[in-house]
Amino acid sequence: EPEVTQTPSHQVTQMGQEVILRCVPISNHLYFYWYRQILGQKVEFLVSFYNNEISEKSEIFDDQFSVERPDGSNFTLKIRSTKLEDSAMYFCASRPTTGDYGYTFGSGTRLTVV
Amino acid sequence: DQQVKQNSPSLSVQEGRISILNCDYTNSMFDYFLWYKKYPAEGPTFLISISSIKDKNEDGRFTVFLNKSAKHLSLHIVPSQPGDSAVYFCAGPANAGGTSYGKLTFGQGTILTVHP
Repeated sequence: EPEVTQTPSHQVTQMGQEVILRCVPISNHLYFYWYRQILGQKVEFLVSFYNNEISEKSEIFDDQFSVERPDGSNFTLKIRSTKLEDSAMYFCASRPTTGDYGYTFGSGTRLTVV
Repeated sequence: DQQVKQNSPSLSVQEGRISILNCDYTNSMFDYFLWYKKYPAEGPTFLISISSIKDKNEDGRFTVFLNKSAKHLSLHIVPSQPGDSAVYFCAGPANAGGTSYGKLTFGQGTILTVHP
C-alpha cells in the first residue's frame, strides 16, 4: 500500500537553529499538508500546498515557517529559527483530489528543541 | 469555522464487547467527517468516513453513525479486539461549508483500551 514517508523520525536541535523536515508524499497525490501535535494537545493544521503554492496556512505558520516542493517527489517544512515551543510531532499528509477523503498521513517527525 | 470535540478522553472495554466513541461538532455545514486511529509513535491512520448525505457507513467491524440534528457522530467497533487499543480521532473539514483545500480540524482524541 502506498505510504507517505517522513524523515528523520526524530530530530533534536538547539533553540535558534534551522531545521528541515522532509516528506515524500504518495506519487499521484495533488494536495499536501503539514500538521503538528504538541504533546497532550490536538493535532493542528499548519499549511496546505497545491499546484506548487501554499493554498492555506494557519496562524501558527508565521514567517519562521516555509514549505517547498523542490523536485517532483519531496515536500519539506523548514523552521528558520526554532523555539522551545516548536517541540512537537510533525505530520505530513497527502490527498489525491478534492473529492477524495483519503488523506494519508506519514509516521511523523518528533522535533525536540533544547 | 468547524470545531469537533471528543469529550471522553478515555474508554475501557472488554474484548468482544462494543466500543462506542463519540464526537460532537459545531457547524452544520460540512461535507464529510473522518475517523482516524493512532498508535504511539505513528501517524494517524484513516479508518472510516461518512458524508453529509448519509447517516450511517459500515466497514467490517467499524460503523460510523451521523446524527445531523444533534450534530453528533459516533464510531462503533464490534466486536472490540485488543489490537484496537489506540487513540481515536474524529476530524472534519475546518472551513464551514465544504472542502476548500482540505484543511482538517481534529478532536482531542479518545484513548481506547480493549482488555483481553
